[in-house]
Amino acid sequence: SSELTQDPSVSVALGQTVTITCHGDILRDYYANWYQQKPGRAPVLIIYDKTNRPSGIPDRFSGSTSGNMASLTITGAQADDEGDYYCNSRDINTNSVVFGGGTKLTVL
Amino acid sequence: QLQLQESGPGLVKPSETLSLTCSVSGDSIRSNSHYWAWVRQPPGKGLEWIGSIYYVGNSDIHPSLRRRVAISVDTSKNQFSLNLKSVTAADTAVYYCAREFSSSPELDYWGQGILVSVSS
Repeated sequence: SSELTQDPSVSVALGQTVTITCHGDILRDYYANWYQQKPGRAPVLIIYDKTNRPSGIPDRFSGSTSGNMASLTITGAQADDEGDYYCNSRDINTNSVVFGGGTKLTVL
Repeated sequence: QLQLQESGPGLVKPSETLSLTCSVSGDSIRSNSHYWAWVRQPPGKGLEWIGSIYYVGNSDIHPSLRRRVAISVDTSKNQFSLNLKSVTAADTAVYYCAREFSSSPELDYWGQGILVSVSS
């Protein structure tokens, strides 16, 4: 299957650490990237190539991959981190880009 | 700074063809390292990759949309375009254009998106 599965919603207390996961067999062949999306805005790339952050992305965001699971960890979550988070990867069989269903993060 | 801007009609009738253009500024679309992609997001739902194109014209399309989608590129105008034929209400979405790395699936620059509604 070329699907990527994410939990629909996750919550975290302000200042605490939260991990958002992404599962899929295609992650065994290709790494994951992560995007943050705020309401009414375009997605923003926050993690690429499993662990790298684009310029301007705070270092409280980190990524990792193990087997068929990718993880996005936010260490010391801020109120501004609320939003939807999407993982994506590539299905090498169809050469298609695949997105996970998204996780809505609430900071309490 | 690279910028992408979608343009096209915001309303399309069922069974007709949705046509959008993405204008790229701040860099050439003739990049050896990048594809140029279309992604859509139905209201209240997640992201769906539609397809992408290299500046010489070869493209990849989502398997579920291959029969209805064509993506083209105009290097003289630094633009690329999406045609989605035989639309239904299920094609109502915000359509984004984005830059995609040719060697990996990350999309690092996005347009602001354009809402296209399918309705008679």
